[in-house]
Amino acid sequence: GQNIDQPTEMTATEGAIVQINCTYQTSGFNGLFWYQQHAGEAPTFLSYNVLDGLEEKGRFSSFLSRSKGYSYLLLKELQMKDSASYLCAVYITGNTPLVFGKGTRLSVIA
Amino acid sequence: SQTIHQWPATLVQPVGSPLSLECTVEGTSNPNLYWYRQAAGRGLQLLFYSVGIGQISSEVPQNLSASRPQDRQFILSSKKLLLSDSGFYLCAWSPITQETQYFGPGTRLLVL
Repeated sequence: GQNIDQPTEMTATEGAIVQINCTYQTSGFNGLFWYQQHAGEAPTFLSYNVLDGLEEKGRFSSFLSRSKGYSYLLLKELQMKDSASYLCAVYITGNTPLVFGKGTRLSVIA
Repeated sequence: SQTIHQWPATLVQPVGSPLSLECTVEGTSNPNLYWYRQAAGRGLQLLFYSVGIGQISSEVPQNLSASRPQDRQFILSSKKLLLSDSGFYLCAWSPITQETQYFGPGTRLLVL
């Protein structure tokens, strides 16, 4: 079976940095996605990592270690609007849909 | 550019009534299409996906069904709704050559 683990909830302060971890054990691996989902809305694409290392995109960065089955999403200079759920998803093969984790609900407080 | 539409946005239905949710994609051809359900405060549950017209893969056996009558149209149906069918239904598409999924705005279904 496929297993993707993320913390259920996290709380961080406005202006701070937060790291959301994701570990995976899947039958194959061809890449890892991060999506953001605000309450009551659809998920939106944030990042996609295929190779090991850090990908930076503005305030958001995503890291991947294929050998460790590990990824994290780093959010800098947190803003209140960053309060949302963050979903980690693994791309196994072209013939199978993405496998999603249950998501991490991030609350940003003043 | 590509857009994905879902309707209705909100639906309240009695137990035992039928269901039909529609999803259409514009601006692309031969997309992969997906139906997900998300219960309140929970993760995404993949219900069905389709790689072409008339080709449906079911991930979870239940009282729901899906059809793809046209290339860019995906329909989720039920003959008799259960209370447990309440949730947020999301349609998504991905290009045939890529894996990134793009989600529609969703339909919030409440079964009473």
